[in-house]
Amino acid sequence: DGGITQSPKYLFRKEGQNVTLSCEQNLNHDAMYWYRQDPGQGLRLIYYSQIVNDFQKGDIAEGYSVSREKKESFPLTVTSAQKNPTAFYLCASRRGPIQGIMNTEAFFGQGTRLTVV
Amino acid sequence: SQQGEEDPQALSIQEGENATMNCSYKTSINNLQWYRQNSGRGLVHLILIRSNEREKHSGRLRVTLDTSKKSSSLLITASRAADTASYFCATVPFTQGGSEKLVFGKGTKLTVNP
Repeated sequence: DGGITQSPKYLFRKEGQNVTLSCEQNLNHDAMYWYRQDPGQGLRLIYYSQIVNDFQKGDIAEGYSVSREKKESFPLTVTSAQKNPTAFYLCASRRGPIQGIMNTEAFFGQGTRLTVV
Repeated sequence: SQQGEEDPQALSIQEGENATMNCSYKTSINNLQWYRQNSGRGLVHLILIRSNEREKHSGRLRVTLDTSKKSSSLLITASRAADTASYFCATVPFTQGGSEKLVFGKGTKLTVNP
């Protein structure tokens, strides 16, 4: 099946620890995104990538890092510098203008719920 | 900062009634999209309207876009209990460089009572 997969579904992090959230897509999409969602809140953009080996900071990039070594994969690392990492993290992908296609919708994974213990 | 602001933040209606949600945004856009999120799940795309379109329909959904007012509305007609969810608007801000940044609002939580 084509889609976007996030893992794990639940993740627990100790204080001072780095953790990496996985996001994989087999939709052949160029653009990928990471969002953070706090309870009862909207989605805030952490990082996005329009093409392999390139990514841009979103609105709340501090304390996070990403890589885009393969088109299919866009992992997010929550570092110890992120002081309040407990949240629901959502990954998304969409076809981009690289393929000559504009105005496309995003497809989302089912999310990873991260809790600091 | 978030591009879109939905209004109202929460909406409670009876089954069969219509639900209207509004979205305002700040900058020029290439398109505006509406998404739905069931509690604790990922978002699902509902409808996309281009900046040169004024109205679009999909089943029981009707979206309007007023670029002069930088606003959009989502109308769900003949609502059902299964429509209970949070609804978000998202925009791709227009930039000279063709950025693919996709920015979401804070959402409207819709409750449809049986």
